[in-house]
Amino acid sequence: RKEVEQDPGPFNVPEGATVAFNCTYSNSASQSFFWYRQDCRKEPKLLMSVYSSGNEDGRFTAQLNRASQYISLLIRDSKLSDSATYLCVVSFTGGGNKLTFGTGTQLKVEL
Amino acid sequence: EAQVTQNPRYLITVTGKKLTVTCSQNMNHEYMSWYRQDPGLGLRQIYYSMNVEVTDKGDVPEGYKVSRKEKRNFPLILESPSPNQTSLYFCASREAGVTNEKLFFGSGTQLSVL
Repeated sequence: RKEVEQDPGPFNVPEGATVAFNCTYSNSASQSFFWYRQDCRKEPKLLMSVYSSGNEDGRFTAQLNRASQYISLLIRDSKLSDSATYLCVVSFTGGGNKLTFGTGTQLKVEL
Repeated sequence: EAQVTQNPRYLITVTGKKLTVTCSQNMNHEYMSWYRQDPGLGLRQIYYSMNVEVTDKGDVPEGYKVSRKEKRNFPLILESPSPNQTSLYFCASREAGVTNEKLFFGSGTQLSVL
């Protein structure tokens, strides 16, 4: 079983749609959770951290469910510019607070 | 401008010819790391360094070497590259500490080993 699992997609959605991605992790000792965005063949960039209470940044909302060991990302009012791959990232103490990356979920927003 | 600089951006080489991919950061970060990214496998950590002269293996260290003689530089060395090391490589850095874990990535090096 992979440490961090994501549906690879692609998710093809029309502009303006709401889309949600889920991610599950296997290590119950995981401490920190993030979503990174990666455009094709470019470097990943931090989109947002994920907190237990849930957090929102504009059109993006992230949720964490520790009991079920999954995190989610909701994008409202999708824009063409949201087209990218979204990486779920989990860390736990040990190995220098190693970050484990999911393989990513590809989003394509269309006119 | 705060950044992580990797060179070269693209590299084509032949099996067995030693190569070095350079990585430099200007943010005075203690932690630096190398990843490779392959289709369907995501980003996998090769080596990381918690500070100068402190390096450790990640998940896929075989066939790679690193050094951390200075805080800003963390080169990745392939002593005898093989075709299975064809991949997209990223260097990354961040501040030390448990809570601040934002990673800054370089722009990547696409390596092809023939």
